[in-house]
Amino acid sequence: NAGVTQTPKFRILKIGQSMTLQCAQDMNHNYMYWYRQDPGMGLKLIYYSVGAGITDKGEVPNGYNVSRSTTEDFPLRLELAAPSQTSVYFCASSGRTGGNTEAFFGQGTRLTVV
Amino acid sequence: DQQVKQNSPSLSVQEGRISILNCDYTNSMFDYFLWYKKYPAEGPTFLISISSIKDKNEDGRFTVFLNKSAKHLSLHIVPSQPGDSAVYFCAANNYGQNFVFGPGTRLSVLP
Repeated sequence: NAGVTQTPKFRILKIGQSMTLQCAQDMNHNYMYWYRQDPGMGLKLIYYSVGAGITDKGEVPNGYNVSRSTTEDFPLRLELAAPSQTSVYFCASSGRTGGNTEAFFGQGTRLTVV
Repeated sequence: DQQVKQNSPSLSVQEGRISILNCDYTNSMFDYFLWYKKYPAEGPTFLISISSIKDKNEDGRFTVFLNKSAKHLSLHIVPSQPGDSAVYFCAANNYGQNFVFGPGTRLSVLP
């Protein structure tokens, strides 16, 4: 059982470039999330999805886009990368069936924009 | 406006002693609270949770206490071990809403 898998683990982008961070989960979870963590800070929600075809903005969505065409995958797209997007990105999923439950996180993607 | 606060950025304790990590929240609609542990270069891993209908939940060396009237929860680790050295995040949610995380507390357990 792989859980939540993120690729790539590391990436360096030049200002203005674009990229997609991949996230896949094999737990059949409805809810999926993208967070970013800046040094010394907590996790801030970028986007989330409550099921295939449904996405919504979190606290810090500017500069990002998401899609959710399947239950398993929730890619995060960065358009026109900026230095302010240098961060560690975490994808997570949760079941949310029948009550509260925890979120499971991937290993993270460390992104540097230069 | 930080809805979940962890006012101690760091904490050091001796091996074998108790570690107490604190968390405060402002949103009275939160009804589920979680603690996550994070090692460097890894994703956060779930540690323990508590529902708002309880005031205590215990799992081995880890106990979480919830004081709803004070909007305060704490994580107790007894006895502390060097492998417990990590960043601990407090998180909260309201059923059907998203997880809101605190800024984290770095725990160092000294041998």
